[in-house]
Amino acid sequence: DQQVKQNSPSLSVQEGRISILNCDYTNSMFDYFLWYKKYPAEGPTFLISISSIKDKNEDGRFTVFLNKSAKHLSLHIVPSQPGDSAVYFCAASFSGSRLTFGEGTQLTVNP
Amino acid sequence: DVKVTQSSRYLVKRTGEKVFLECVQDMDHENMFWYRQDPGLGLRLIYFSYDVKMKEKGDIPEGYSVSREKKERFSLILESASTNQTSMYLCASSLSLGGGTGELFFGEGSRLTVL
Repeated sequence: DQQVKQNSPSLSVQEGRISILNCDYTNSMFDYFLWYKKYPAEGPTFLISISSIKDKNEDGRFTVFLNKSAKHLSLHIVPSQPGDSAVYFCAASFSGSRLTFGEGTQLTVNP
Repeated sequence: DVKVTQSSRYLVKRTGEKVFLECVQDMDHENMFWYRQDPGLGLRLIYFSYDVKMKEKGDIPEGYSVSREKKERFSLILESASTNQTSMYLCASSLSLGGGTGELFFGEGSRLTVL
């Protein structure tokens, strides 16, 4: 049972444009959502998070939106840069429990 | 900064060999985890530990075991490596399982190839 799903395996955007990465979840108990970024041959690094009591969290070029009724969250990167090319993982937890990860989306930002 | 160190970045082993993957964290975190990453499958939890000498199965524990004799160290053991265990293995730690955000701090990964 895949409780966190990232339906797009890959996304390609032009430098300077917006990147939108999507994530859906099925477990309404999830109360905290995180995005991780992973470069090849490196471990994932934490990018941004959002609590279920909020619908938006912003950190520089990165914004995460949460739509609880749709059980959907998205990560917006504006403007996209070539260095943003990486695999992005969505993850969720409830009451600080172990994280459940999505399958990941490979973002490629073309110069 | 939290540092999670995995002892081997790249390993090549033969089918049937016993494999040890070591992980050390320096932030006194209670919880440690072993994941494997495969394309299209995301990060799948193998085992985790919330205290010394304690372990819990994750989603894909078959063919693996773990050891946590000290708080800072968490080892993943492949008793008899098989080709389907060729993967990127990621160790992680976190401060708490309950009441916190669940944020994980990852090591750089160990790329294992089983021939």
